[in-house]
Amino acid sequence: RKEVEQDPGPFNVPEGATVAFNCTYSNSASQSFFWYRQDCRKEPKLLMSVYSSGNEDGRFTAQLNRASQYISLLIRDSKLSDSATYLCVVYGGSQGNLIFGKGTKLSVKP
Amino acid sequence: NAGVTQTPKFRVLKTGQSMTLLCAQDMNHEYMYWYRQDPGMGLRLIHYSVGEGTTAKGEVPDGYNVSRLKKQNFLLGLESAAPSQTSVYFCASSYSLKAQPQHFGDGTRLSIL
Repeated sequence: RKEVEQDPGPFNVPEGATVAFNCTYSNSASQSFFWYRQDCRKEPKLLMSVYSSGNEDGRFTAQLNRASQYISLLIRDSKLSDSATYLCVVYGGSQGNLIFGKGTKLSVKP
Repeated sequence: NAGVTQTPKFRVLKTGQSMTLLCAQDMNHEYMYWYRQDPGMGLRLIHYSVGEGTTAKGEVPDGYNVSRLKKQNFLLGLESAAPSQTSVYFCASSYSLKAQPQHFGDGTRLSIL
């Protein structure tokens, strides 16, 4: 089982839609979790950290389920500018570093 | 407010040539990292450093060497470039290995012919 797995997509949604991305991780000892955003041919940038109680930042909501080793990202009222690849990132892989998922591509259409 | 700066931005090499990629950060971060990103593979850690004068192997270290002679700089070397090393290379830095997110440079696109 890969350390961090994501649905690669692409997710093609209309503006205003709600879209959810899922991510599973294999190391139950993982300690920190993040969602990064990567635009085409650009560097990854931190979108938000994921806390055990769940957290929200504007239109973005992140959830963590430690029992199921599952992380989610919900985007409400999608904007054209949300089009990007979303990377699920977990700290606590086998080498004690950040482990990046391969990303889920989102395309928001007018 | 430069953050993490990578040079060069693009480079084309011939098989067997050597080169060094430079990463510089101005945030006084202890930790620095080199990743490669290939289509369908995600980001993979090549080497990292937990402080000046220290380096460690990541997931895919073969064919690469690194040095951290100054806290602000992390160099990635390719001794004898191979076509399999064609990739986008990202440098990153962070305050800590664990909890802090990483700040990335804007990447080096390297092609080996």
